[in-house]
Amino acid sequence: DAKTTQPTSMDCAEGRAANLPCNHSTISGNEYVYWYRQIHSQGPQYIIHGLKNNETNEMASLIITEDRKSSTLILPHATLRDTAVYYCIVRQYSGGGADGLTFGKGTHLIIQP
Amino acid sequence: KAGVTQTPRYLIKTRGQQVTLSCSPISGHRSVSWYQQTPGQGLQFLFEYFSETQRNKGNFPGRFSGRQFSNSRSEMNVSTLELGDSALYLCASSLARDRGQSYNEQFFGPGTRLTVL
Repeated sequence: DAKTTQPTSMDCAEGRAANLPCNHSTISGNEYVYWYRQIHSQGPQYIIHGLKNNETNEMASLIITEDRKSSTLILPHATLRDTAVYYCIVRQYSGGGADGLTFGKGTHLIIQP
Repeated sequence: KAGVTQTPRYLIKTRGQQVTLSCSPISGHRSVSWYQQTPGQGLQFLFEYFSETQRNKGNFPGRFSGRQFSNSRSEMNVSTLELGDSALYLCASSLARDRGQSYNEQFFGPGTRLTVL
């Protein structure tokens, strides 16, 4: 899996868009970008994934730069319940090679009231 | 559709004992993975089962083992417990692992918090 770099923590005001960056400069052509989050004392939750096109679902949007070396997860209207640790993971779609998701330190997003 | 369930949610054991944790995946999911989460090491992959076979194993000692039943339910066992085994043990299921389908979209249970005294 390609290495990812995320800020340790971020703050965002409730109701505003939360933009979480992730750098993955060594990503290879067949690797996808996945985002998970973990709310305190719960299991991680899958959010979204993408290859090169921007993706949107009911939870978030994923913007991947044209060179694919970085991406941004966007929570359009953050609520207090979005306070969590957000993990950016880059890996081949099939999970080939060493398996199991590799979770780094992630970004601790704190939504302020 | 019911989510991934894990039992028990909390467990207290003493050093040297063994423990068995259970996981029921989402209906139709055939892949079950186990992870250990500690404050120091974060989330670490233990092993994955698919069709009752262990497909991959993380870097954990042989005291950690698991199995999967024909209904895809899975158990993991830790023998000769050590203080360092205190952790949140998470189970995750996914739709499939072969044919490259959706393995990386994993659905996690709430975890079993194990405390070893």
